[in-house]
Amino acid sequence: DSGVTQTPKHLITATGQRVTLRCSPRSGDLSVYWYQQSLDQGLQFLIQYYNGEERAKGNILERFSAQQFPDLHSELNLSSLELGDSALYFCASSALVGGGYTFGSGTRLTVV
Amino acid sequence: GNSVTQMEGPVTLSEEAFLTINCTYTATGYPSLFWYVQYPGEGLQLLLKATKADDKGSNKGFEATYRKETTSFHLEKGSVQVSDSAVYFCALRRLGNNNDMRFGAGTRLTVKP
Repeated sequence: DSGVTQTPKHLITATGQRVTLRCSPRSGDLSVYWYQQSLDQGLQFLIQYYNGEERAKGNILERFSAQQFPDLHSELNLSSLELGDSALYFCASSALVGGGYTFGSGTRLTVV
Repeated sequence: GNSVTQMEGPVTLSEEAFLTINCTYTATGYPSLFWYVQYPGEGLQLLLKATKADDKGSNKGFEATYRKETTSFHLEKGSVQVSDSAVYFCALRRLGNNNDMRFGAGTRLTVKP
C-alpha cells in the first residue's frame, strides 16, 4: 500500500456519460497530481493541486475538471465521455519540494 | 522546456543478463532525477533517485548516476531476474512545489528464464 488511495479501481461507462474519480493523498502530502496513461503506456500530466488550489495544468481537456477539498482529497470529473478517454488514470501526491511522487494504483476507465 | 528522453523498447533479455536503459534530459537549473517502475496491473513505484550531479541512486540492484556533463541518468542492473519484467520510467522534477514531474515515454522490459 503506497498510502495514496484511488477509487474506484475499475469503471465501465457509456459514451456521453460523466464519471468522478477519487483520490486520497498520502497522509501529510499537500500536492495532488492527476495523470492519464494511455494503452501505449505514455503518462500524460493533467493537473496539479496544492492545498486546495490549482497550481499547474497540463494537457487537460475542457471536458475534464478537478478539485481538491479541504481534507485534501481530490476528485477528477470526466464528462461527455468518448471512446478515446478509455485509459488508466493515476493520482500521485508529494510533500517535499523537488521530491518524488507517490502514486496510487490507478482507476481503469473503459468507455463503451 | 524540461523534458526526458529514454530509449525505446521493448527490451527483451535473458535472466542474469546486464541491463542498461538510457535516459537523457533537458532542463534549466538543477533538477532531481528519478526512475520509476510499473509492474503489470499496478501504479508507478519510485525505484531510485538522485538530487545533484554525480549522485548515484541505487535500489534492489539497480543503479543510476546523475551525469550533468552528459545530461544523462542511465539505469543499470548487473543481473536481471524474471521478476524485473516491468515498464521503467525516467523522470525529472525541478525544485519548487509548482513544478510537476516530467516523465519519459517508458521502456518495457521483459526478462525470459
